[in-house]
Amino acid sequence: DVKVTQSSRYLVKRTGEKVFLECVQDMDHENMFWYRQDPGLGLRLIYFSYDVKMKEKGDIPEGYSVSREKKERFSLILESASTNQTSMYLCASSFWDRSHEQYFGPGTRLTVT
Amino acid sequence: AQSVTQLDSQVPVFEEAPVELRCNYSSSVSVYLFWYVQYPNQGLQLLLKYLSGSTLVKGINGFEAEFNKSQTSFHLRKPSVHISDTAEYFCAVKGDYKLSFGAGTTVTVRA
Repeated sequence: DVKVTQSSRYLVKRTGEKVFLECVQDMDHENMFWYRQDPGLGLRLIYFSYDVKMKEKGDIPEGYSVSREKKERFSLILESASTNQTSMYLCASSFWDRSHEQYFGPGTRLTVT
Repeated sequence: AQSVTQLDSQVPVFEEAPVELRCNYSSSVSVYLFWYVQYPNQGLQLLLKYLSGSTLVKGINGFEAEFNKSQTSFHLRKPSVHISDTAEYFCAVKGDYKLSFGAGTTVTVRA
């Protein structure tokens, strides 16, 4: 079975803090994705990566950055957390030529106070 | 560009009753359509997909969906639901490099 793990299930941070969300997959997938999930809005793509050190902006990249130094690991960084970044964050991965078949992690619920 | 509209945000249903979740899409490229399910406190998992071929697609857990090109719809159905089907369901369409998701439909199954 494909396994996508995220470093924390729940996280509470203060406004202005730098926040790191980590995601690791064990299926040698080329593509990795970070989504944000909010009630009534579904999932919105923040960033994705199709190879090590490569990244592309998604629909809502403002206030976020990403890092992919190894194939299996994709990090989402909030440089200065704000209360409007309180949300559920989902990581996903897929093979390069099958980007529609994505495997999701369990999510990290981030609260910024 | 592509987009998805899920027409119902909440669907309450009694156990063993049928359920239909409605999804309409728009896409300027070839249409690949998906339904994902999210059980409480879990990530999303793929229920079923339409890539080509037969317009009636069967998925896991007894779900099926029908692709209707003329109505740009991809509705999800199950003839008899269980309590364990309580979850949020997302319709998605694939564009050139990414999935676009609908807002989700919460299904609550009652005994």
